[in-house]
Amino acid sequence: GQQVMQIPQYQHVQEGEDFTTYCNSSTTLSNIQWYKQRPGGHPVFLIQLVKSGEVKKQKRLTFQFGEAKKNSSLHITATQTTDVGTYFCAGSSNSGYALNFGKGTSLLVTP
Amino acid sequence: DGGITQSPKYLFRKEGQNVTLSCEQNLNHDAMYWYRQDPGQGLRLIYYSQIVNDFQKGDIAEGYSVSREKKESFPLTVTSAQKNPTAFYLCASSVSGLTSQPQHFGDGTRLSIL
Repeated sequence: GQQVMQIPQYQHVQEGEDFTTYCNSSTTLSNIQWYKQRPGGHPVFLIQLVKSGEVKKQKRLTFQFGEAKKNSSLHITATQTTDVGTYFCAGSSNSGYALNFGKGTSLLVTP
Repeated sequence: DGGITQSPKYLFRKEGQNVTLSCEQNLNHDAMYWYRQDPGQGLRLIYYSQIVNDFQKGDIAEGYSVSREKKESFPLTVTSAQKNPTAFYLCASSVSGLTSQPQHFGDGTRLSIL
């Protein structure tokens, strides 16, 4: 079945450094969503990308959807301690009813 | 204040015992989901329901059962057949079952074996 792979599994950065997590699918995705889960919390929806080559920004966060709609990335510029958490991508290869979540990238930011 | 309420926050199960996790939403969402989260494993779908009185198995349904008798409620029963139930369980809902809809999550229930 369709799998969504996410790398790296962990990333430790100094505050102010940039961070990127990558999401790759073996099949073409109809859409991809990104979620953030703070330690001890629950996943919170960040954004959805639908179009080939789409780029969306939320303050210091930049989300991209690949031209082939098989990969996506989340880039954080100048990380802050508030960025700590696990970032998940989730995609579906059709307009059906089940999202496939990646295993997540856990970000640790030290001051 | 609209949202998803999961209870209890912590639950302990004895060997051979069935336990039920509660999930209630007042968002008027049609679709509801149950996920299991283990360290380093991301979110794995147990069951989902697109509409009242209908539900579908996810990737890891064995040892679990659900019901959807009311729109607001989607309880999950962890049966004694689930041999490794220790995990963090998350309930979610979305406006509809289409994957283009964002999912809203509850605070989770952490289940442990005594």
